[in-house]
Amino acid sequence: NAGVTQTPKFRVLKTGQSMTLLCAQDMNHEYMYWYRQDPGMGLRLIHYSVGEGTTAKGEVPDGYNVSRLKKQNFLLGLESAAPSQTSVYFCASSYKGAGLGTQYFGPGTRLTVL
Amino acid sequence: AQSVAQPEDQVNVAEGNPLTVKCTYSVSGNPYLFWYVQYPNRGLQFLLKYITGDNLVKGSYGFEAEFNKSQTSFHLKKPSALVSDSALYFCAVRDGNAGKSTFGDGTTLTVKP
Repeated sequence: NAGVTQTPKFRVLKTGQSMTLLCAQDMNHEYMYWYRQDPGMGLRLIHYSVGEGTTAKGEVPDGYNVSRLKKQNFLLGLESAAPSQTSVYFCASSYKGAGLGTQYFGPGTRLTVL
Repeated sequence: AQSVAQPEDQVNVAEGNPLTVKCTYSVSGNPYLFWYVQYPNRGLQFLLKYITGDNLVKGSYGFEAEFNKSQTSFHLKKPSALVSDSALYFCAVRDGNAGKSTFGDGTTLTVKP
């Protein structure tokens, strides 16, 4: 049982390049989330999904897109990377039912945009 | 919107001493509160949560948290700190539907031998 996994672990991009971050979970969770973590700012929600085929905007969605074609996967895309998107990105998932609210996090992706 | 505040960026304690990491909250309705821990270069790990019931919640690694409705606080505590407890701690509150949570800015706990 791997829990929540993220690929890649590290990435360096040049301004204007695009990339996709992959999140996968094997716990059959309904809900999935993408956060960014910046020093002194805690975690900020980028986008989230309440089920396969559905996505919604979080607190800081600009410059990002997401897709959830399969229940176990949640993709985060950067179409044209900017230096302001240098951050550590975390994916998380949670149950829909009695455990609602408790989130399980992946190990993170450290992205640098030059 | 729901929010939490962690008033201390840094907490330093000596090994063996009790520790407290503070969190206050602002919610409309009943609060669902959480504590998470983040070790260096790792994702967040769930420690404990308060949904309803007993105001003293016990969690992983010997941590506990006290819910205080009158003071709108949810402080994390441990009777005897270990060096291995040194990490970044986040308080969070469930915010709306879909299990979303709003996180505090985090408190760095350093336990010195």
